[in-house]
Amino acid sequence: GENVEQHPSTLSVQEGDSAVIKCTYSDSASNYFPWYKQELGKGPQLIIDIRSNVGEKKDQRIAVTLNKTAKHFSLHITETQPEDSAVYFCAASIGYKLSFGAGTTVTVRA
Amino acid sequence: NAGVTQTPKFQVLKTGQSMTLQCAQDMNHEYMSWYRQDPGMGLRLIHYSVGAGITDQGEVPNGYNVSRSTTEDFPLRLLSAAPSQTSVYFCASSLAGTEGYTFGSGTRLTVV
Repeated sequence: GENVEQHPSTLSVQEGDSAVIKCTYSDSASNYFPWYKQELGKGPQLIIDIRSNVGEKKDQRIAVTLNKTAKHFSLHITETQPEDSAVYFCAASIGYKLSFGAGTTVTVRA
Repeated sequence: NAGVTQTPKFQVLKTGQSMTLQCAQDMNHEYMSWYRQDPGMGLRLIHYSVGAGITDQGEVPNGYNVSRSTTEDFPLRLLSAAPSQTSVYFCASSLAGTEGYTFGSGTRLTVV
């Protein structure tokens, strides 16, 4: 099955700085790559996603890039704010099966 | 529009007991799935369903049973609880199953 690796496991940034989380996947057939944000005690919430026929997608302060050749994708958060503090998960999908990375705990320091 | 509703939010079971985790969605989504979340391991797919009457296994199906008699409901049954099933369980739904998953708020299960 699909194997998704996510780095780093923890990330501490100064408010206003950028945060970057990187993921790699193993199965070249994966064609959908969502990113989820999970706050304490809540379920994961979709923040941005990208399909394999697109190289980059941006939504306000959040952007995702995809390199199909290298089989890796990244989440970029610019101008970080305290409310960006959470656990972020990347995922890769083949058909109906979504495989998740282990998560990155992001802490934004005021 | 409540989205995906999971009950109960917390549950403690003794080893060997059985129970059903409930999941309901009101978005008319065809696809529903169950995940478990353990520290440092992300979310792992247990079972999924692409429509009423159709279910299939995910990555970690052993010890769990599912059925899908209606579009709205997708219960997860633990037949004989084991301490290894202590986890947080999330239900998710999607219109088509290939993108746009919506997650519930989770059920925290402890098996002693």
